[in-house]
Amino acid sequence: GESVGLHLPTLSVQEGDNSIINCAYSNSASDYFIWYKQESGKGPQFIIDIRSNMDKRQGQRVTVLLNKTVKHLSLQIAATQPGDSAVYFCAENAGDDKIIFGKGTRLHILP
Amino acid sequence: EAGVTQFPSHSVIEKGQTVTLRCDPISGHDNLYWYRRVMGKEIKFLLHFVKESKQDESGMPNNRFLAERTGGTYSTLKVQPAELEDSGVYFCASSQAGRDYGYTFGSGTRLTVV
Repeated sequence: GESVGLHLPTLSVQEGDNSIINCAYSNSASDYFIWYKQESGKGPQFIIDIRSNMDKRQGQRVTVLLNKTVKHLSLQIAATQPGDSAVYFCAENAGDDKIIFGKGTRLHILP
Repeated sequence: EAGVTQFPSHSVIEKGQTVTLRCDPISGHDNLYWYRRVMGKEIKFLLHFVKESKQDESGMPNNRFLAERTGGTYSTLKVQPAELEDSGVYFCASSQAGRDYGYTFGSGTRLTVV
């Protein structure tokens, strides 16, 4: 079916280490992907996006990697900070103006 | 610039009652979306407005849910009558021009049906 999923519901990372959050998608027609961060009591916040004609895109402390061959998306956060604690969702769009979310990964930062 | 505003932030109602959620998108955003997250699961698409027209309502779970966007500004989502499984967080998002700019989400309305 058309869905986006994540491999791990929870990820614990030591403060200062790099975090890698993974996502698998199943719709090969999807050509636009987004990572969102959701903090408690807030709505999803846009982090970074990538189009299917790219395999890597970098932002401030974040990098998104796209592997279309295996339909895999990942978000890398460099030097993880306490403020990075949140639930991270990957989302995909197949050109119909609606995005489909995965289940989310909760990122815990260990002191 | 004001963000997407949702009201109320929390609502607790009894099964069988009616609840109306409101979303005020960012001014000038033609696209308005409703999503919901039930019991910690993924965020599910409900429907999409372009101005006052329903572009896609394929995610609406059943006819107990009614969304409106009169005048193409704010939107309401009414649940009548509410059932226990309707509990969750309802998010609204808006965007100006398609998908390339990402959506701006509101903080959500946490609905609890008891």
